[in-house]
Amino acid sequence: GENVEQHPSTLSVQEGDSAVIKCTYSDSASNYFPWYKQELGKRPQLIIDIRSNVGEKKDQRIAVTLNKTAKHFSLHITETQPEDSAVYFCAAGSGSARQLTFGSGTQLTVLP
Amino acid sequence: NAGVMQNPRHLVRRRGQEARLRCSPMKGHSHVYWYRQLPEEGLKFMVYLQKENIIDESGMPKERFSAEFPKEGPSILRIQQVVRGDSAAYFCASSPPSGGGRNEQFFGPGTRLTVL
Repeated sequence: GENVEQHPSTLSVQEGDSAVIKCTYSDSASNYFPWYKQELGKRPQLIIDIRSNVGEKKDQRIAVTLNKTAKHFSLHITETQPEDSAVYFCAAGSGSARQLTFGSGTQLTVLP
Repeated sequence: NAGVMQNPRHLVRRRGQEARLRCSPMKGHSHVYWYRQLPEEGLKFMVYLQKENIIDESGMPKERFSAEFPKEGPSILRIQQVVRGDSAAYFCASSPPSGGGRNEQFFGPGTRLTVL
């Protein structure tokens, strides 16, 4: 089955700096890669996703890149703000299997 | 359009009791997934269901756990004879019908189960 590894497990940045979180996956059949943000005690919320037919996707301060050959994808947050502080999860899935395999999460702290 | 709904939000059970967790998917969604999250850990897939069918239960323990998604009503995750190790947050997610590669999953608020 699919295995998703996520790094780093914790990340602290100064407000205004950029944050990068990286994930690798093992199953070459995976073709859907969402990122979720989870605040303490809250539900995971989908913030951006990318499919395997594109290499990069951007939405305001958030971007995701995908390297299918190397089987890794990354989340980039620019101009970080204190409200970006949360746990971020990457995941991988395929159109046929539909279930998502999640990474172990990154606790992002944006220091004011 | 209401989001994914789960109830109860908090559930306390004693060892040996049964826990029933309910999930109503978003309107128009026909796929339901259950995930378990232990404190400070990631989400672990348990089971994927469509109406009246279990599609994939590879992540669900063989003993004591069962899930259903009847033709009418919410999906239910049932844990029999709960043990302390079952204490966790259980999240339900739903996604639109198949087609076009659309498999975005939207999560409910979770049920936090505490076993005393």
